[in-house]
Amino acid sequence: EAGVTQSPRYAVLQEGQAVSFWCDPISGHDTLYWYQQPRDQGPQLLVYFRDEAVIDNSQLPSDRFSAVRPKGTNSTLKIQSAKQGDTATYLCASSFTGVSAETLYFGSGTRLTVL
Amino acid sequence: GEQVEQRPPHLSVPEGDSAVIICTYTDSATAYFYWYKQEPGAGLQLLMSVFSNVDRKEEQGLTVLLNKKDKQLSLNLTAAHPGDSAVYFCAVSDGKLTFGHGTILRVHP
Repeated sequence: EAGVTQSPRYAVLQEGQAVSFWCDPISGHDTLYWYQQPRDQGPQLLVYFRDEAVIDNSQLPSDRFSAVRPKGTNSTLKIQSAKQGDTATYLCASSFTGVSAETLYFGSGTRLTVL
Repeated sequence: GEQVEQRPPHLSVPEGDSAVIICTYTDSATAYFYWYKQEPGAGLQLLMSVFSNVDRKEEQGLTVLLNKKDKQLSLNLTAAHPGDSAVYFCAVSDGKLTFGHGTILRVHP
């Protein structure tokens, strides 16, 4: 079974540029998460979806970040005008909402550097 | 909201020794507990998950202890080997997953 797939693996931008990250979750997983992981820190939730609906985007900087999951499968996270403080690894995770604990499975991440 | 403290931030042990990582959390309603391993350039790999009705769980050289009274979760790697060198994260969930800041473990020969 394929795991969570993310692309690109790396991105380097100048401040003010835009970038998009793409995520393909595990087949059948209804919930998809985007996390931001600054260097030497734990992942911090940005947004998550159940199917195509946004469940929680309270930590997403809405003036510059946006995320969509139009068909309830793949998802795209976009940064409109990147800042140096956005430098981090962006992790996508997916899970299945079953009767027991939701275990998250993570992709390898996209490492973003904003110069 | 939930707060998770993880310690130590860095841990170096000789091969064959035990390595212990401890997390404390704040929300007594937290129901699910996880340990993840992250190797350089890779995503987070789930090591073990524990529900709140479990005090101890052992799998493949790993022991997780959950002390709900003290709101403490620990991971013990018994007989660590160099391949265990990585960053380890605890995570707790009360419906929303909150991670600790990570422990960089180095196991030296």
